[in-house]
Amino acid sequence: KNEVEQSPQNLTAQEGEFITINCSYSVGISALHWLQQHPGGGIVSLFMLSSGKKKHGRLIATINIQEKHSSLHITASHPRDSAVYICAVTPSSGTSYGKLTFGQGTILTVHP
Amino acid sequence: DTGVSQDPRHKITKRGQNVTFRCDPISEHNRLYWYRQTLGQGPEFLTYFQNEAQLEKSRLLSDRFSAERPKGSFSTLEIQRTEQGDSAMYLCASSPITRGSYNSPLHFGNGTRLTVT
Repeated sequence: KNEVEQSPQNLTAQEGEFITINCSYSVGISALHWLQQHPGGGIVSLFMLSSGKKKHGRLIATINIQEKHSSLHITASHPRDSAVYICAVTPSSGTSYGKLTFGQGTILTVHP
Repeated sequence: DTGVSQDPRHKITKRGQNVTFRCDPISEHNRLYWYRQTLGQGPEFLTYFQNEAQLEKSRLLSDRFSAERPKGSFSTLEIQRTEQGDSAMYLCASSPITRGSYNSPLHFGNGTRLTVT
C-alpha cells in the first residue's frame, strides 16, 4: 500500500460542477501539498498546508490531521482546470525537507 | 524571476550512451531537488542539495547516476550507460530556506523527458 493514496484516479466533470479530490496518507507529516500538472510536465504548487483550510480563487484545500486526510475542491469548474492533480506529503520522520512522497495523481477532465 | 529552468526539454539517446541534464533554480533558492516521474505515476525523489552540499540521495539512484551543484547555483544530473528503464521525465525543483519555517513550497521546472531507445 502506498503511503499516499488519492481518489478518484480519473474524474470527468461538466463545466460548472463542484469537484472534490481526496488524499489519504499513512505517515506522520509536517506538511501536505497539492500540485497541478499539465500535459508537457510542468508542475505548479497550488497549496501547502499543515492544518485547517486554505482558499485561492475557486480552489479550496482542507486537511484533517487526526484522520490523515485532505481534500481539494474546485468550485465552478472550467475546462482550463483539466490537468493532473497530485497530493504529496513532507514526512515528519527526520527526512530531508522537500523529500516529498507523492500520490499517483488524479486526472481531471472538465468538458464544456 | 524566470522560474526553474531545465535543459534540454527532450532527450532521445541510445542505450549505453551517457546523458547530462541541467537545472537552473530560482536564483535565491538554497534548496534544489531532483525527481523522476514515469508515465502514470507520481514523481519519485532522487536527490537533494542545500547550497552545494548533496545532503540526501535515494536508493533509486544507482551508481550510474550522479548529481552535482558545484557552486550552489545550477545543478547537473548525469546518467551513465543509459538503460531503457531510465526513460522518464526528470524534474528539478527548488525552494528557499524560510526563516522560522521548516517548510516552503517547491517550485518545479518543466522537466527533461528522456527516451532511451
